[in-house]
Amino acid sequence: SQKIEQNSEALNIQEGKTATLTCNYTNYSPAYLQWYRQDPGRGPVFLLLIRENEKEKRKERLKVTFDTTLKQSLFHITASQPADSATYLCALGENSGYALNFGKGTSLLVTP
Amino acid sequence: KAGVTQTPRYLIKTRGQQVTLSCSPISGHRSVSWYQQTPGQGLQFLFEYFSETQRNKGNFPGRFSGRQFSNSRSEMNVSTLELGDSALYLCASSLAQGAAGYTFGSGTRLTVV
Repeated sequence: SQKIEQNSEALNIQEGKTATLTCNYTNYSPAYLQWYRQDPGRGPVFLLLIRENEKEKRKERLKVTFDTTLKQSLFHITASQPADSATYLCALGENSGYALNFGKGTSLLVTP
Repeated sequence: KAGVTQTPRYLIKTRGQQVTLSCSPISGHRSVSWYQQTPGQGLQFLFEYFSETQRNKGNFPGRFSGRQFSNSRSEMNVSTLELGDSALYLCASSLAQGAAGYTFGSGTRLTVV
């Protein structure tokens, strides 16, 4: 069956450290992978997209890697800040459809 | 520019009733998707519309339906509501297939009692 797995346990890190979130998938052939941030009571906010032929993407303090052999994406936030505390969702898109398939998200808490 | 607008923000309905939710996408965005979010299942795809045509539908019963108007605004309808339909319903718009990212609204929180 198809699965998208993100760390179900919350990730607690200290301000200034690098947060690394994992997204593993099985039985998907994604054309691209997206990362979103979601705050309580709000809709997800798009952060980054990486395509199947790309290994790494960066945007300011964010970095995403995509390994189609391992079927894994890693999402890094460097120099983390308390304002980065939120739930982070990964989502896969396939060429065959128009749906995003979401993981259940990882909750990140950055403490001062 | 204005974001994706969903109305209403909150809704309480009784089992067996039907409900209509509305979504106004970002101006110029022709693709509108709907998702259901629950604590147990996370975000699940309902359907996607482009230029008034449904291009894809998720694995939901026929009680869930939607449509898109010529101005790209979209509505979704749930008939014969069940307690399990209680969820946050999110609308997202994008320029094309969404390969450049989707913009989500704040959602409609539906509670079925």
